[in-house]
Amino acid sequence: GAGVSQSPRYKVAKRGQDVALRCDPISGHVSLFWYQQALGQGPEFLTYFQNEAQLDKSGLPSDRFFAERPEGSVSTLKIQRTQQEDSAVYLCASSLEIAGGSGELFFGEGSRLTVL
Amino acid sequence: LAKTTQPISMDSYEGQEVNITCSHNNIATNDYITWYQQFPSQGPRFIIQGYKTKVTNEVASLFIPADRKSSTLSLPRVSLSDTAVYYCLVGDNFGNAGNMLTFGGGTRLMVKP
Repeated sequence: GAGVSQSPRYKVAKRGQDVALRCDPISGHVSLFWYQQALGQGPEFLTYFQNEAQLDKSGLPSDRFFAERPEGSVSTLKIQRTQQEDSAVYLCASSLEIAGGSGELFFGEGSRLTVL
Repeated sequence: LAKTTQPISMDSYEGQEVNITCSHNNIATNDYITWYQQFPSQGPRFIIQGYKTKVTNEVASLFIPADRKSSTLSLPRVSLSDTAVYYCLVGDNFGNAGNMLTFGGGTRLMVKP
């Protein structure tokens, strides 16, 4: 596709369940970011990949959060034993440039996770 | 330590020019300044980027003073569809851990008829 694709768009999980969120970046984009956006707040950085290498995971809120990008394209954000505070929109963005400082980040529409 | 500071909200009327200023006192030599727009239920969308002086594209202008400690996004003749949240970001191209592109709280712009 032409843009960043995220799935599922909506996910409802019971507390304690594991969830997996998928991101298909724009083909050829080196950088991939995951952000978490709570209602009414700005996106909060979670983790950054440069190709298949996870160079920064300082934003992951706990060890229940895990992200991978094994072949340098599709990425998966996994949340184990979900808690209510994990309810948020998870945004994926990709960029042609390293770290995205110059140029443009292309965002998907996000995956809205609701934990009951 | 917050990298950027913006007003929480602004109101305007259709047809007016809107200027949103962002403070980034600790901007580094290699950092670029980028503005994004976000509508409800959508991901942020790139508006404009600059390093210094003035940049203009088809939708906005970006003014950056010589010290680069602030920047101003200028939206000419806003319409109702410009109602959105606007974010200012600073970042480089090095990919160093701890220096990733960080969004602040953004500025919620409301354009009234």
